[in-house]
Amino acid sequence: DTAVSQTPKYLVTQMGNDKSIKCEQNLGHDTMYWYKQDSKKFLKIMFSYNNKELIINETVPNRFSPKSPDKAHLNLHINSLELGDSAVYFCASSPKLYSSGANVLTFGAGSRLTVL
Amino acid sequence: AQKVTQAQTEISVVEKEDVTLDCVYETRDTTYYLFWYKQPPSGELVFLIRRNSFDEQNEISGRYSWNFQKSTSSFNFTITASQVVDSAVYFCALSEAHSGGSNYKLTFGKGTLLTVNP
Repeated sequence: DTAVSQTPKYLVTQMGNDKSIKCEQNLGHDTMYWYKQDSKKFLKIMFSYNNKELIINETVPNRFSPKSPDKAHLNLHINSLELGDSAVYFCASSPKLYSSGANVLTFGAGSRLTVL
Repeated sequence: AQKVTQAQTEISVVEKEDVTLDCVYETRDTTYYLFWYKQPPSGELVFLIRRNSFDEQNEISGRYSWNFQKSTSSFNFTITASQVVDSAVYFCALSEAHSGGSNYKLTFGKGTLLTVNP
């Protein structure tokens, strides 16, 4: 059973299109994240949700809209895709705040987005 | 603002050599956590260790060891008797409590690509 699963694993699309990446975790964690890894392997946080509430929004363009229908799911919708959006997007989750291991992130396998 | 610096972009060693990956961090918080993650060629990110700012004891886990020194703001990672399977990108990361304490945010270094040759 995959702890943090993302779909799709690969996504190739044209500039200007809209696409979504889905993430689900079965760890019972309260907090979920989206990280972006660029072509130089640099990892940067984009968003974080704690129990469906947006907590961190790291100056990401408005074209990126996260949605958390429940605490086990965090989806990422991207409008009007640009070449610079090409990257690997990682979903992650972590346990309840102040619990043991609260800030230990479990990552999904990543979703590689290529914008042509 | 917090910052993590991994000055070594790439390291190449021959199997069975020991190798140390450097990590230097900056933070104004007195309470923080340091991490190492491994990203093998398959691409997933694997948690290796977490260390809090109040615990400067070194840690050893099999062939892996970590040296945390607050005086130099460093959290270095040593692999003893390296193996080909250790080839990966290794990330050091820092976590402070987000404002309001409602969440944690990991700030990653740029990673060190370790290649272990047979």
